[in-house]
Amino acid sequence: DIVMTQSPDSLAVSLGERATINCKSSQSVLYSSNNKNYLAWYQQKPGQPPKLLIYWASTRESGVPDRFSGSGSGTDFTLTISSLQAEDVAVYYCQQYYSTPQFTFGPGTKVDIK
Amino acid sequence: EVQLVQSGAEVKKPGESLKISCKGSGYSFTSYWIGWVRQMPGKGLEWMGIIYPGDSDTRYSPSFQGQVTISADKSISTAYLQWSSLKASDTAMYYCVRHNIAVAGGDYWGQGTLVTVSS
Repeated sequence: DIVMTQSPDSLAVSLGERATINCKSSQSVLYSSNNKNYLAWYQQKPGQPPKLLIYWASTRESGVPDRFSGSGSGTDFTLTISSLQAEDVAVYYCQQYYSTPQFTFGPGTKVDIK
Repeated sequence: EVQLVQSGAEVKKPGESLKISCKGSGYSFTSYWIGWVRQMPGKGLEWMGIIYPGDSDTRYSPSFQGQVTISADKSISTAYLQWSSLKASDTAMYYCVRHNIAVAGGDYWGQGTLVTVSS
């Protein structure tokens, strides 16, 4: 089983400042056949279902603001919010899609305003 | 417009059975996998399993194998999650999600079904 970990558990960032969330998988989620990382990032606001932000580790989903970016490869990944806005307060999850059928999520990182 | 609409909240007693639904619209229901995700109160997301409605190929996360049954009726574009004997620990929000292999991610989510199991 692929185990996903995230750090930090929570962070508080001032409006307009950068927020960085890390995600690590216990084994590589990079498929050598297509050179794609099977890693997605989601945002979940209270009382709402998760929303897909980033797929293939670094591709922004349509309609997602460009202040959100994803990077990394293999086992280490990062979600960056370049300039935190009030509406970005949420819990952020990474998820690996490499290991069928157990598409495990990370434990989540809560982002708040400082 | 792609939509996944889930059935309403349920309150059940331990030992009772339950089947919740997720109806897809606005896309070819038989061409995308549908997954189920559990979120216990105040906790994170847990992947339960996935079904391909086109041929009913179903795969379970080991943690949920034998605990739930995932099925689909492609004639009415609906996926299901069912329990034969609920436990208090099944109390959670359950989401269905369309798994889009083109993006290797869940691009559309249902609104969630809250299941409460209490004596």
